[in-house]
Amino acid sequence: AQKVTQAQTEISVVEKEDVTLDCVYETRDTTYYLFWYKQPPSGELVFLIRRNSFDEQNEISGRYSWNFQKSTSSFNFTITASQVVDSAVYFCALTNTDKLIFGTGTRLQVFP
Amino acid sequence: DVKVTQSSRYLVKRTGEKVFLECVQDMDHENMFWYRQDPGLGLRLIYFSYDVKMKEKGDIPEGYSVSREKKERFSLILESASTNQTSMYLCASSSLLGTVSNQPQHFGDGTRLSIL
Repeated sequence: AQKVTQAQTEISVVEKEDVTLDCVYETRDTTYYLFWYKQPPSGELVFLIRRNSFDEQNEISGRYSWNFQKSTSSFNFTITASQVVDSAVYFCALTNTDKLIFGTGTRLQVFP
Repeated sequence: DVKVTQSSRYLVKRTGEKVFLECVQDMDHENMFWYRQDPGLGLRLIYFSYDVKMKEKGDIPEGYSVSREKKERFSLILESASTNQTSMYLCASSSLLGTVSNQPQHFGDGTRLSIL
C-alpha cells in the first residue's frame, strides 16, 4: 500500500528563519511521482513541484528547495529566510497510478 | 493559467437534503477529481473522471455520486446529506499528457459545506 507521512502537524517560526517540512513515503513501485502543494488561508491548493522517482537531483527555486532521497524514502521541503506570506498548510503527495495519495499536511505559521 | 471554479465557497444544508456541488474548469482537461478535506486526515479522494460520462470511485465514495455530462463540468452529489458529510470539498483537474499520474492537479478554492 502507498502512504505519505508528514509527522509535523504544525510548525511556528519567526520571519527570516529557515524551516524544513518533512515528508516520508511508502511505495513498492519503482516508478512514481512526488508532489508538494501549498494551501494558503484562501483554500486553493497551489502546485509547487513534481519529482519522478528516477530523478534524485535536488531542486532549488528561489527560497524554496527540495531534497529527494530514495534511500530514506523522503522528499523534504526547505524554505530559506521564511516570510509571513509562507504561512500555509503544505501537503506532500505520492502517485504511481491514477490517484494522488496525500499526507495529512503541515501547518506552517511564520510570525513577523 | 488554469482556472478551476467551484460554484460556492460556503454552503449550509439540512440533513436529508440532496446537495449538488458544481465544478467547472477552463483548460480542456480530461481528468477531474473531487476530494474532501478534514482536519488530521488530509485530502481524501471521493470520485474522479477521465472523460465525459466516465467516473471512477475513489477511496471514500459512499454517500456520494458524480455527474460529468460535459468535459468542463464535474458535479458532486450528496444523495441524502448527513452531518458526517460536513467538510471542505475540493475539486481538481489535470491534463492527460503522458499518463494521469504525472500531471499536477489544479485545484479550486473549495466549498465549505455544513450539514445541520
